[in-house]
Amino acid sequence: AQRVTQPEKLLSVFKGAPVELKCNYSYSGSPELFWYVQYSRQRLQLLLRHISRESIKGFTADLNKGETSFHLKKPFAQEEDSAMYYCALSGAVQGAQKLVFGQGTRLTINP
Amino acid sequence: GAGVSQSPRYKVAKRGQDVALRCDPISGHVSLFWYQQALGQGPEFLTYFQNEAQLDKSGLPSDRFFAERPEGSVSTLKIQRTQQEDSAVYLCASSHRTGYYGYTFGSGTRLTVV
Repeated sequence: AQRVTQPEKLLSVFKGAPVELKCNYSYSGSPELFWYVQYSRQRLQLLLRHISRESIKGFTADLNKGETSFHLKKPFAQEEDSAMYYCALSGAVQGAQKLVFGQGTRLTINP
Repeated sequence: GAGVSQSPRYKVAKRGQDVALRCDPISGHVSLFWYQQALGQGPEFLTYFQNEAQLDKSGLPSDRFFAERPEGSVSTLKIQRTQQEDSAVYLCASSHRTGYYGYTFGSGTRLTVV
């Protein structure tokens, strides 16, 4: 069964401190993993995909198949990073990809 | 349109009432998904359309839920005889290519069943 676990529902750090949002998954195959973000009063939007190996807004995430993890990291948090973050895993559905989401982590950056 | 549009933004229904939720995807987007997001949870897959064909409806929680996309653009999610457990935000997402999963979400419809 496909499953995504985000163990922290709430995470609070000070501005300028490093931040790490944890994500673990279970999937019997080669996973495609994503981080989505939802800022206050905005719609859910894609932050980054593991396959593109990019850094968006200073965030990076490395897929660790041995630990089945895809943690999201940023070395220096900014106040505008406060948001709800969802880790998601894709599963093929007849040529398209449906997503399995974790429960989400609410990140608060304190000034 | 500029983005995925969902209406109504909020819906309050009495238990047992039927509701219809509308999704207007980005013009030309082939794939359309519906997700259900309960309070404090991540979104959960309901159903998927490729153009007008409903290719997967495995996530629909019961036969009270029905979705359609008759002309391959606008989609409607219908819930019959609503129950309190149906209270959630219903999200629609679309993407412009089959198999491309960087899709765009709508703002959602918040359904409250009283």
